[in-house]
Amino acid sequence: KAGVTQTPRYLIKTRGQQVTLSCSPISGHRSVSWYQQTPGQGLQFLFEYFSETQRNKGNFPGRFSGRQFSNSRSEMNVSTLELGDSALYLCASSLEAGGAADTQYFGPGTRLTVL
Amino acid sequence: AQSVAQPEDQVNVAEGNPLTVKCTYSVSGNPYLFWYVQYPNRGLQFLLKYITGDNLVKGSYGFEAEFNKSQTSFHLKKPSALVSDSALYFCAVRDMTGGFKTIFGAGTRLFVKA
Repeated sequence: KAGVTQTPRYLIKTRGQQVTLSCSPISGHRSVSWYQQTPGQGLQFLFEYFSETQRNKGNFPGRFSGRQFSNSRSEMNVSTLELGDSALYLCASSLEAGGAADTQYFGPGTRLTVL
Repeated sequence: AQSVAQPEDQVNVAEGNPLTVKCTYSVSGNPYLFWYVQYPNRGLQFLLKYITGDNLVKGSYGFEAEFNKSQTSFHLKKPSALVSDSALYFCAVRDMTGGFKTIFGAGTRLFVKA
């Protein structure tokens, strides 16, 4: 099976712009989670989707949003970009939400740089 | 709230020697613990997990981890380190309160010297 794919891999934006990142989960996986990774804050949970519904959300401002489509693909959007949004954004998929034992499989990430 | 701590920012070990990367956790209820590894400019790769059962969990690439309930620890180990094991290692706990998310430790950078 193909792994989790994320597009684009690299992105450069300027402050005030908005950006959309895409994630395609492993075939058959229905849960998609997003994380932000920065040197200062480490890995922080953004949100999790299952069957097109947001099931959980981390402590991020409303500028960060996401959605999931019927084929389980997910997008996240960041509006009004700030310098501090520069980070590696990681997407992870698992078989189903709510399964404590489920393993999350991560994509390679999208490196966002905000100038 | 669930949390994990990785007390060492960096671990240095010589190739061929055993390695240990430490992790302690704080959870309410049963712990669901994971180890991931990250290579430069890559996503996280799953190594192993503890859900229940045997306290010694074997994973990918020769890694294993020992679950110790009394010490609330889940240390990652490998009998003989390789230079290619040099990477960033994350311990994580599944947080089932209020939804479904994974809480990661700050990470430990492992350097294996030839």
